[in-house]
Amino acid sequence: GQQLNQSPQSMFIQEGEDVSMNCTSSSIFNTWLWYKQDPGEGPVLLIALYKAGELTSNGRLTAQFGITRKDSFLNISASIPSDVGIYFCAGQKNAGNNRKLIWGLGTSLAVNP
Amino acid sequence: EAGVTQFPSHSVIEKGQTVTLRCDPISGHDNLYWYRRVMGKEIKFLLHFVKESKQDESGMPNNRFLAERTGGTYSTLKVQPAELEDSGVYFCASSQVVRTENYGYTFGSGTRLTVV
Repeated sequence: GQQLNQSPQSMFIQEGEDVSMNCTSSSIFNTWLWYKQDPGEGPVLLIALYKAGELTSNGRLTAQFGITRKDSFLNISASIPSDVGIYFCAGQKNAGNNRKLIWGLGTSLAVNP
Repeated sequence: EAGVTQFPSHSVIEKGQTVTLRCDPISGHDNLYWYRRVMGKEIKFLLHFVKESKQDESGMPNNRFLAERTGGTYSTLKVQPAELEDSGVYFCASSQVVRTENYGYTFGSGTRLTVV
């Protein structure tokens, strides 16, 4: 089946450090989404990318949609303790009425104050 | 506005029992999705409703799972009889029907189902 390979699986960093994670796929996606999940909560959308090559920022977060449409990365600058959580990438083909998301396994981020 | 609400937040049942999960989407959202995350694995799509109709149920594991959305409002997901491998977190999400490319969902907090 379709798979997104997300790496790294986990990260433990010091407060203030920058973080980078990425997702790759053998399939082309028309939309890439990055979500964050806090404990006991559902995933919350951080950034949505709709065009190949697109670079989008949301505060300290920056994400890019790869030009091949098979990959994406998410950068977090100057990490803070509240950045702790699980970050997921998700791809969407947007074919017709097919809106289902294909997910990566997630990157668990721990930030040491 | 109220977000996506799921009930219960946790459920522990014995193998062979029946469990019904409920999702109340954001008011006005025609699209409703069910996803599941089994421990150690990725979040996987189960099915998609547009109003009361099943648009895509290709992710439903087997016929022990039954999803309904009567009247196009809230949805239920029934597992009968439950098996050990059904354990996981079941997420519901909803979105509006829009003409732009913004198909980002809003997720509920999930129902953690444990089958023992």
